[in-house]
Amino acid sequence: QQQVKQSPQSLIVQKGGIPIINCAYENTAFDYFPWYQQFPGKGPALLIAIRPDVSEKKEGRFTISFNKSAKQFSLHIMDSQPGDSATYFCAASPNFGNEKLTFGTGTRLTIIP
Amino acid sequence: ETGVTQSPTHLIKTRGQQVTLRCSSQSGHNTVSWYQQALGQGPQFIFQYYREEENGRGNFPPRFSGLQFPNYSSELNVNALELDDSALYLCASSSGRMNNSPLHFGNGTRLTVT
Repeated sequence: QQQVKQSPQSLIVQKGGIPIINCAYENTAFDYFPWYQQFPGKGPALLIAIRPDVSEKKEGRFTISFNKSAKQFSLHIMDSQPGDSATYFCAASPNFGNEKLTFGTGTRLTIIP
Repeated sequence: ETGVTQSPTHLIKTRGQQVTLRCSSQSGHNTVSWYQQALGQGPQFIFQYYREEENGRGNFPPRFSGLQFPNYSSELNVNALELDDSALYLCASSSGRMNNSPLHFGNGTRLTVT
């Protein structure tokens, strides 16, 4: 019940396209859903996060869509650039905070010029 | 503002040995978490320390232990190393459990067990 399922495993998109990465969860105690970006040799860096009281959040070119009833959330990257090529992880945690993040398995995104 | 720093960056150990990994948290942060990231996988929560006390633990055996010091730096110790312990070990800090502050990750220590 602690799992966060992420898809697809890898994604190739042309520059300017809108990659979409999806995650699903089972644990209804989760109430904080961040997305992390990781470049090779680096630690994950927080991109954007959402709480279940809103259905969408935008920060720059990154948008999270959240469907509480379906227990699903997704990341959209607008006007994607080659510099966005990285591995993206969704995550979830309970109890109003950053404790004990449960991560998805990651999506390796490649943006081709 | 100094970020989260981890040492060493790479380490090679033999099965059965013990290892200590170190982490300096970001300035002003009093909470440290450790994660294990196997190749091609997402990070898995090992444990968290808040003001020098363990505050939650993931599904890892007792041979994984930790410490947090008064300056909020932290150590992860792994005894009786196994081949499956080969992974990237990530330290993350934040400014408090109830503060909803984001986790800031270091770049990790790559541990190889042979």
